[in-house]
Amino acid sequence: GQNIDQPTEMTATEGAIVQINCTYQTSGFNGLFWYQQHAGEAPTFLSYNVLDGLEEKGRFSSFLSRSKGYSYLLLKELQMKDSASYLCAEKDSNYQLIWGAGTKLIIKP
Amino acid sequence: DGGITQSPKYLFRKEGQNVTLSCEQNLNHDAMYWYRQDPGQGLRLIYYSQIVNDFQKGDIAEGYSVSREKKESFPLTVTSAQKNPTAFYLCASSLGQGEAEKLFFGSGTQLSVL
Repeated sequence: GQNIDQPTEMTATEGAIVQINCTYQTSGFNGLFWYQQHAGEAPTFLSYNVLDGLEEKGRFSSFLSRSKGYSYLLLKELQMKDSASYLCAEKDSNYQLIWGAGTKLIIKP
Repeated sequence: DGGITQSPKYLFRKEGQNVTLSCEQNLNHDAMYWYRQDPGQGLRLIYYSQIVNDFQKGDIAEGYSVSREKKESFPLTVTSAQKNPTAFYLCASSLGQGEAEKLFFGSGTQLSVL
């Protein structure tokens, strides 16, 4: 079956760096997405990776290793507003998204 | 401003009642989706539509129905056959279904059972 795994919760300090990991198992792969979701709000798009390597976008970067079925989201210079859930989603061979349960990130002053 | 609007924000359903969640987009997107979000679980696809007057079942379609009479609108009805409807419902749209197409989400509807 298809399974997306990511940690349930992480805690980090304001101004620090945090890495949120995501592993996936699938026979077909058409890209890996990261979304941010504040409590009770709409998820918003952060990044998309389909080739191996690191994609940097301001304070946020996303990495993909297709051979390992592994991705991570790297958040630098953490701010209190970064407290949210981060959702990992893989697009499968049918172009449908398979979602992880999300990682709740708590930022402490 | 373009976007997706879901209403209402909160909805309560009585036993045996059907309720309809509204979703409207002015992004001129062809594809629209309904997801259900439960605590501790990933988003689960209920229904999706790639074009007007056509829609397909997702992974958990039982107890739900949809229509796509207009490009802008994709309402979801939660029927009395859905025995555990309490959840956060998210509507989304995308330009197409290609590999790089990102989703744009509405702000969600929290449905609870009275």
